[in-house]
Amino acid sequence: AQSVTQLDSHVSVSEGTPVLLRCNYSSSYSPSLFWYVQHPNKGLQLLLKYTSAATLVKGINGFEAEFKKSETSFHLTKPSAHMSDAAEYFCVVMKTSYDKVIFGPGTSLSVIP
Amino acid sequence: GAGVSQSPRYKVAKRGQDVALRCDPISGHVSLFWYQQALGQGPEFLTYFQNEAQLDKSGLPSDRFFAERPEGSVSTLKIQRTQQEDSAVYLCASRSDYGDTQYFGPGTRLTVL
Repeated sequence: AQSVTQLDSHVSVSEGTPVLLRCNYSSSYSPSLFWYVQHPNKGLQLLLKYTSAATLVKGINGFEAEFKKSETSFHLTKPSAHMSDAAEYFCVVMKTSYDKVIFGPGTSLSVIP
Repeated sequence: GAGVSQSPRYKVAKRGQDVALRCDPISGHVSLFWYQQALGQGPEFLTYFQNEAQLDKSGLPSDRFFAERPEGSVSTLKIQRTQQEDSAVYLCASRSDYGDTQYFGPGTRLTVL
């Protein structure tokens, strides 16, 4: 069975400082992994995805994530936080042989001016 | 181009009423998914269509929930005899036949009084 753990329910950073949102997964398959962002009252937007190509994945708005199979992790990072990054972030795992996706519980990111 | 749209955006129902939630996927997208997102949680899978065929409905919480996609495009999620625990945001996503990324609509926020 697949599952996704997001280790922090809430992260607070100062504007201009680095962001780290942690995600660990379990999967009996080689998974596809995604990060989505959800701004208040808006739909989910894809930030980036890993699908067994390069382990370091670059996404939109300066975000990137590194797939580490040995650690079963897919942490999301950004060098410098912007006020507009404040939102809910979801790590998502998908079986490559099936279409069902599993969402993590989410991490709420706050950016302090 | 147009993204996934959902209507209504907000729905208030009295307990026991039936509701119907509509999803218009991106034109040409073969796959369509419904998710339920309770307050403060990540989306949870409800059901999946490929064209008009409902291939997976394992996430539907009870037989009061019913989804259809009769012509392989627009989909409707129907909830009969609504209960307070049905209050949530219902998200629809679509995916083309050529990729693994799901594109989400803005959701319908259902409140059952």
